[in-house]
Amino acid sequence: DAGVIQSPRHEVTEMGQEVTLRCKPISGHNSLFWYRQTMMRGLELLIYFNNNVPIDDSGMPEDRFSAKMPNASFSTLKIQPSEPRDSAVYFCASSSGIGNTIYFGEGSWLTVV
Amino acid sequence: QKEVEQNSGPLSVPEGAIASLNCTYSDRGSQSFFWYRQYSGKSPELIMFIYSNGDKEDGRFTAQLNKASQYVSLLIRDSQPSDSATYLCAVNPGGSQGNLIFGKGTKLSVKP
Repeated sequence: DAGVIQSPRHEVTEMGQEVTLRCKPISGHNSLFWYRQTMMRGLELLIYFNNNVPIDDSGMPEDRFSAKMPNASFSTLKIQPSEPRDSAVYFCASSSGIGNTIYFGEGSWLTVV
Repeated sequence: QKEVEQNSGPLSVPEGAIASLNCTYSDRGSQSFFWYRQYSGKSPELIMFIYSNGDKEDGRFTAQLNKASQYVSLLIRDSQPSDSATYLCAVNPGGSQGNLIFGKGTKLSVKP
């Protein structure tokens, strides 16, 4: 069974450019999460969806960040415009319900120069 | 602010020894508790979860939970060099919250 699939795996972009990260959750999972990991702050929840509906976006840093989940098998995280401080690993994860195990994708490694 | 605290380490143990990893959490209403392992450059992978007070064993791993003390630990018996990784404690806040709050992780190094 395929796990959480993320793309791109690595991206290097210039400050000011738009970045779009993509995620396909595990089939049958109804919760999807976007986390960001940095050395300084560890793993931080940015936003999570339940049944395609955003439940908690309090972790989204600012208006430059937006996330969508148009259907049960696809989500995007967009950063526009990107800044060097956005450089991090962005993980998408999914689970089958509240309190259940969260499974991570391999991450998207973003560098903004 | 709901927090999960871990000693960042590094924790260094000799091969074959028991490694003890500790975690405290601030939200007394937390319902479920998870330990993830993360190798350098990789994504977190689940090792164990625990919901009830007491011990839960799975092979060389034992998770311990004490809700009264808001404390959860992970013991790794017969530590192997392949156990060298960062171990992340994660807590589900409970209620209608489906997300996990992660500690910053403890880096474990098992020396041959």
